[in-house]
Amino acid sequence: EVKLLESGGGLVQPGGSMRLSCAASGFTFTDFYMYWIRQPAGKAPEWLGFIRNKANGYTTEYNPSVKGRFTISRDNTQNMLYLQMNTLRAEDTATYYCARSTTEGMDYWGQGVMVTVSS
Amino acid sequence: DVVLTQTPVSLSVTLGDQASISCRSSQSLEYSDGYTYLEWYLQKPGQSPQLLIYEVSNRFSGVPDRFIGSGSGTDFTLKISRVEPEDLGVYYCFQATHDPFTFGSGTKLEIK
Repeated sequence: EVKLLESGGGLVQPGGSMRLSCAASGFTFTDFYMYWIRQPAGKAPEWLGFIRNKANGYTTEYNPSVKGRFTISRDNTQNMLYLQMNTLRAEDTATYYCARSTTEGMDYWGQGVMVTVSS
Repeated sequence: DVVLTQTPVSLSVTLGDQASISCRSSQSLEYSDGYTYLEWYLQKPGQSPQLLIYEVSNRFSGVPDRFIGSGSGTDFTLKISRVEPEDLGVYYCFQATHDPFTFGSGTKLEIK
């Protein structure tokens, strides 16, 4: 069974940093692109970026809205996906999801983790 | 960025009736490889989004055939025939043709 479980959220001050983790299980992790998406309360989701699979060299792409502040990485020995977030702002407050992606779309999502940026 | 405009914003439907949601894109979503990377997701209350439709009209595994995606270029539609109670939630279109990928603003389906 495919499972994705995010962790690492919470309250952080403006200008601070936070690293989110996503533990993957039930599939061959290195075969898949992995995405990060966020969703402010009551609003539409926003695609943040992805990291490619082994066949495509684990390279990354980012939404310009977070490029330079957010970094996506993966530990393929531990089946872990990460989102490092720096210089956080109030508008980064949201629920953050990791998702597995195939040619068919984002087929499995985690349950999400909340991040609140506030003083 | 590509803007996806969904209409209506909300929809109240009687059980067993049909619902139709429109997603219009500010640019054509046909990619250079000939595919159109337009997807539909449903977010049920308190849950993560779940994939319904990919490449405009292909149902994801396990999605009932009551869900029908159609369209091309810039105009896309999701039809739900014979609406059931478990269909309530917010429906989002999503494009993965142009970087950055973007979601529509959502359509909330309520049951009368």
